[in-house]
Amino acid sequence: GAVVSQHPSRVICKSGTSVKIECRSLDFQATTMFWYRQFPKQSLMLMATSNEGSKATYEQGVEKDKFLINHASLTLSTLTVTSAHPEDSSFYICSAGNDRGYGYTFGSGTRLTVV
Amino acid sequence: GENVEQHPSTLSVQEGDSAVIKCTYSDSASNYFPWYKQELGKGPQLIIDIRSNVGEKKDQRIAVTLNKTAKHFSLHITETQPEDSAVYFCAARGGGTASKLTFGTGTRLQVTL
Repeated sequence: GAVVSQHPSRVICKSGTSVKIECRSLDFQATTMFWYRQFPKQSLMLMATSNEGSKATYEQGVEKDKFLINHASLTLSTLTVTSAHPEDSSFYICSAGNDRGYGYTFGSGTRLTVV
Repeated sequence: GENVEQHPSTLSVQEGDSAVIKCTYSDSASNYFPWYKQELGKGPQLIIDIRSNVGEKKDQRIAVTLNKTAKHFSLHITETQPEDSAVYFCAARGGGTASKLTFGTGTRLQVTL
């Protein structure tokens, strides 16, 4: 079945630094990539949607200059959290919309802790 | 935009009993309704989904029903097992050109021995 590999699974960074999270679709072409943020015991909140080769569309309230999304190929999308602060600590999850129809495949998530 | 409500927020059942989780959605043009299971520290895993042209779908112990008129859909788990304990999310894919999923608030299911 469709697999999305997300790395790293956990990362701790110092306040003010940047962190890059990668998501790769292993056996299908991810025409659309969704990036979510999830706080403890809460639901998934969509941050942005990106289509291969196009600029990402950000949800209301999400700072596009802080959360940089790159979707340069059909198998790789990255989320870079720039100038991270403790309030950016969260669980980040990617989801790839495949080219086969309705399905969405989720990555395993990245636990970001900013100290 | 789409709004999805999910109930209950927590559900405790004894092993072997059935569990039912219900969701309602607001966009009548929504056409795809997946259910995800999320274990602690992991990404959501699709367990079953249903499209708007189908009223019911079953996969072993798991079933989903959809009532388009009432705009609600439900997850049914029969013969629950301890490994079913997790957080379950429903979602709806809106109509029109949007392809994003809107998630419910989640249900924490606890299956006790």
